[in-house]
Amino acid sequence: TQLLEQSPQFLSIQEGENLTVYCNSSSVFSSLQWYRQEPGEGPVLLVTVVTGGEVKKLKRLTFQFGDARKDSSLHITAAQPGDTGLYLCAGENSSASKIIFGSGTRLSIRP
Amino acid sequence: NAGVTQTPKFQVLKTGQSMTLQCAQDMNHEYMSWYRQDPGMGLRLIHYSVGAGITDQGEVPNGYNVSRSTTEDFPLRLLSAAPSQTSVYFCASSYRVDSSPQHFGDGTRLSIL
Repeated sequence: TQLLEQSPQFLSIQEGENLTVYCNSSSVFSSLQWYRQEPGEGPVLLVTVVTGGEVKKLKRLTFQFGDARKDSSLHITAAQPGDTGLYLCAGENSSASKIIFGSGTRLSIRP
Repeated sequence: NAGVTQTPKFQVLKTGQSMTLQCAQDMNHEYMSWYRQDPGMGLRLIHYSVGAGITDQGEVPNGYNVSRSTTEDFPLRLLSAAPSQTSVYFCASSYRVDSSPQHFGDGTRLSIL
């Protein structure tokens, strides 16, 4: 069974601080996606990374795919209250034709 | 654009009852899937489909059935509801199972008494 472990599970920081959340697995994924989910809504895609070592930036968010395509990180610079939400990573197992989600990191940014 | 539509939005069942959660997408997506999300948790894959007529089991398929008779619809059936199935259920679709973005519905909040 493929597992995606996210850490930390919860994170509460002050506005303006930097943070990094991690997504780790013992399995190799063809691609990895990051989603953000707000209360009462479905997850919304932030980014997809495909190549080992790939780095993508989305304004203050930086996403990296591990060289071995088993792990990923999300770094937020100068966090803002609008960044609050549940961050989910999702790995694609192309051989099994399915997408597995991680356990999530619940982020709270205090003004 | 409707995107992914789930009905109902809320449902309360008694233990042992059966029901069907509906999911429809109007984007001509081949890949559809059902997830459940328990409080404060991530999403767990129940069943998925790579195209009409094809379905397969995910991580937690027990107690649920699916069918995919058309590209647009992917209903999830609870055969005999149990309190452990109390959860929020999300349907998702994408063009393919590869790196295509997953589009999610707004969820169905299901309580089993």
